[in-house]
Amino acid sequence: DAGVIQSPRHEVTEMGQEVTLRCKPISGHDYLFWYRQTMMRGLELLIYFNNNVPIDDSGMPEDRFSAKMPNASFSTLKIQPSEPRDSAVYFCASLTGGGADEQFFGPGTRLTVL
Amino acid sequence: QKEVEQNSGPLSVPEGAIASLNCTYSDRGSQSFFWYRQYSGKSPELIMSIYSNGDKEDGRFTAQLNKASQYVSLLIRDSQPSDSATYLCAVTPTGGFKTIFGAGTRLFVKA
Repeated sequence: DAGVIQSPRHEVTEMGQEVTLRCKPISGHDYLFWYRQTMMRGLELLIYFNNNVPIDDSGMPEDRFSAKMPNASFSTLKIQPSEPRDSAVYFCASLTGGGADEQFFGPGTRLTVL
Repeated sequence: QKEVEQNSGPLSVPEGAIASLNCTYSDRGSQSFFWYRQYSGKSPELIMSIYSNGDKEDGRFTAQLNKASQYVSLLIRDSQPSDSATYLCAVTPTGGFKTIFGAGTRLFVKA
């Protein structure tokens, strides 16, 4: 299996622009997680899905952030409008469920908002 | 108070020594406990999980859990320079997957 796939790997944008991050989980995994990692705040869970349904979005920082999972093999995290404080590494992770709870992380997207 | 606390380090140990990493958590209802390793510029990878009080060993790694003290630790025996990384403690509450990560402890193993 190719593992969790994220795109783009790096994104540089200007304040106010819309940013869309993409994730393809491992095939057969029922859970998908979006995290943000910064030096100041560490690794924070933003939202997670089970069978394409959002289960907990309490970590989403504000209305500028939205996440969707239209099918089992694709999810997006959108920031509109972006701000410099959104600069971080965004990780997607997936988990098989059914008693197993190891999360497999993608390589991350490094976002820089100027 | 942070939900999962770790000493940020850096922790420096000589090659071949035992590295001891510690973590405390605030939610007494937590049921699942994990240690992830993260190399610089890379994504976290799971190295140990533990669910009940006591020790769990896997090769050079031993995880220890004490729920009464709300304390989790990771011991790395015969430390190698390749163990140099940031180690993240993670805790998941009952009935869900809302995993809370600590800030991580940076470990340096000197050759």
